[in-house]
Amino acid sequence: GAGVSQTPSNKVTEKGKYVELRCDPISGHTALYWYRQSLGQGPEFLIYFQGTGAADDSGLPNDRFFAVRPEGSVSTLKIQRTERGDSAVYLCASSLRQAGAGELFFGEGSRLTVL
Amino acid sequence: AQSVTQPDIHITVSEGASLELRCNYSYGATPYLFWYVQSPGQGLQLLLKYFSGDTLVQGIKGFEAEFKRSQSSFNLRKPSVHWSDAAEYFCAVGPGRDDKIIFGKGTRLHILP
Repeated sequence: GAGVSQTPSNKVTEKGKYVELRCDPISGHTALYWYRQSLGQGPEFLIYFQGTGAADDSGLPNDRFFAVRPEGSVSTLKIQRTERGDSAVYLCASSLRQAGAGELFFGEGSRLTVL
Repeated sequence: AQSVTQPDIHITVSEGASLELRCNYSYGATPYLFWYVQSPGQGLQLLLKYFSGDTLVQGIKGFEAEFKRSQSSFNLRKPSVHWSDAAEYFCAVGPGRDDKIIFGKGTRLHILP
């Protein structure tokens, strides 16, 4: 497809389980971002990749959260030992250039519900 | 540290009326500024952006925004709103020290018929 694709669109899991969320960016976009959006809030920065490397992971809330982008394209956000407070919409965005000089293209998000 | 403040959580205007959504930012240098719109069930879409040059920028869907350095503001305006403009609007600032873009908490726009 032409846009940023995120799967699954919805994920319901139980507290303590492991979850993976996938992002397929627009082809050729070197920058990839993960944000988290809780109800009534703006997108909260989690991590930014330039190519395969995480250029900034300062937004990851704790060591239960981890993200990879092994080939510089698809990225996976991994959450271990999920907690109810992790429930949110996880947004992925990609950009042709570093975001300060380019536009972020967002996917529709993965809604995570932790019971 | 960079930050964005959108003072209005909700705004209600009548269809056909003019609109202004407020955005104030904190940033150590000349910022890159953005407005995004999020409609129900849709992803975030860029309305407009300011990088440099003319401080009045035009965007899609008839929106415009004005960068005022002295007021650290980047307010979004539209002369006449349509019912389809009902959505949530986010102001964002970047790049940060490591190129991250920071978003405000958003303003939800309601349109009265």
